[in-house]
Amino acid sequence: QKEVEQNSGPLSVPEGAIASLNCTYSDRVSQSFFWYRQYSGKSPELIMSIYSNGDKEDGRFTAQLNKASQYVSLLIRDSQPSDSATYLCAVNRPSYIPTFGRGTSLIVHP
Amino acid sequence: DGGITQSPKYLFRKEGQNVTLSCEQNLNHDAMYWYRQDPGQGLRLIYYSQIVNDFQKGDIAEGYSVSREKKESFPLTVTSAQKNPTAFYLCASSIPSTGGGTEAFFGQGTRLTVV
Repeated sequence: QKEVEQNSGPLSVPEGAIASLNCTYSDRVSQSFFWYRQYSGKSPELIMSIYSNGDKEDGRFTAQLNKASQYVSLLIRDSQPSDSATYLCAVNRPSYIPTFGRGTSLIVHP
Repeated sequence: DGGITQSPKYLFRKEGQNVTLSCEQNLNHDAMYWYRQDPGQGLRLIYYSQIVNDFQKGDIAEGYSVSREKKESFPLTVTSAQKNPTAFYLCASSIPSTGGGTEAFFGQGTRLTVV
């Protein structure tokens, strides 16, 4: 079992819709969770971090964490074509090393 | 401006050659990492260093070597022992976050192609 699992997609949503991206992780002791956005040919950039169960909102982005289910998600409200990218879920190993999933490709079509 | 600089942006390697990818940061971060990304894949950890003069192998260290003689610099050498080196290489550094984890910041990447 991989440490961090994501559906590779692509996930296609119409402009203005809510995009829901999901991630599961295997190590129950993980405490820190991150979402990165990566445009084609570019490096990843951090967009959200979450450490406690529940929701964390930042603008159009909401991260959700459920440690009991070992599940973290990212919701993007009012999706825009500029949101089209690959979204990488990352989890800190106990030694604080960032471990990444393979990413989910999101396509927002006009 | 603070940041992480990787060079070169594109690199071509002949079979049997060693090549070195540069990574420099002026963020004063203690920890630095090298990841490899293949098309449609996530980031796989090659090496990491949490302090100067110390580094550890990651998940796919075979065929690679690193050094960490200065806090600012963490170069990666791709040796001839690496059988399939064509990939996108990402250098990152990290800072402890207020929530207890580490937030990673990336350079712009080096795209290595074997010719």
